[in-house]
Amino acid sequence: DAGVIQSPRHEVTEMGQEVTLRCKPISGHNSLFWYRQTMMRGLELLIYFNNNVPIDDSGMPEDRFSAKMPNASFSTLKIQPSEPRDSAVYFCASSLAVGNTGELFFGEGSRLTVL
Amino acid sequence: GENVEQHPSTLSVQEGDSAVIKCTYSDSASNYFPWYKQELGKRPQLIIDIRSNVGEKKDQRIAVTLNKTAKHFSLHITETQPEDSAVYFCAASISDYKLSFGAGTTVTVRA
Repeated sequence: DAGVIQSPRHEVTEMGQEVTLRCKPISGHNSLFWYRQTMMRGLELLIYFNNNVPIDDSGMPEDRFSAKMPNASFSTLKIQPSEPRDSAVYFCASSLAVGNTGELFFGEGSRLTVL
Repeated sequence: GENVEQHPSTLSVQEGDSAVIKCTYSDSASNYFPWYKQELGKRPQLIIDIRSNVGEKKDQRIAVTLNKTAKHFSLHITETQPEDSAVYFCAASISDYKLSFGAGTTVTVRA
């Protein structure tokens, strides 16, 4: 398996634009996580899916953020409208075990810059 | 919620020396403590983990110790090498899925 695949790797956009980040988890993994990493706040859990169902979205900063997982092999994180403070690296991670009782496998991340 | 504090924020060691990173957590119900290593520009990767029924775990040059009474756990790297230079994150989990990460320690191994 190629691991968790994220796209795009880099995104530069202007304030107010819509941003869509994509993730393909490792085949067979039933848990998927979206994390945001910034210097100020470190690694923050945004949302957790188990078997394609959102279990906890309490980390989603505000209504501008939304995430979907239409099937076991694909998830999106959307920001609309984007703001400069959304600039960060967004990681998708998947796990075979229920929740985090097993290893989290991270993707390479999507570095977002909002001008 | 769980609060994880990690110290130091930066650590510079001479190649061959040992490095120790310490973390404390707030919720006594936490039961899973992984450590992740993130090289510059790369993804975080699990290097070792420990569960609350174990006090110490070792894997070659790295070891983790857990003190549940004091609510702290530590990462020990012996015989450090240049490839150990990275940011190390500790984490603690209270629930099935929610990991709280520490702020990270940037380790630099000087040749």
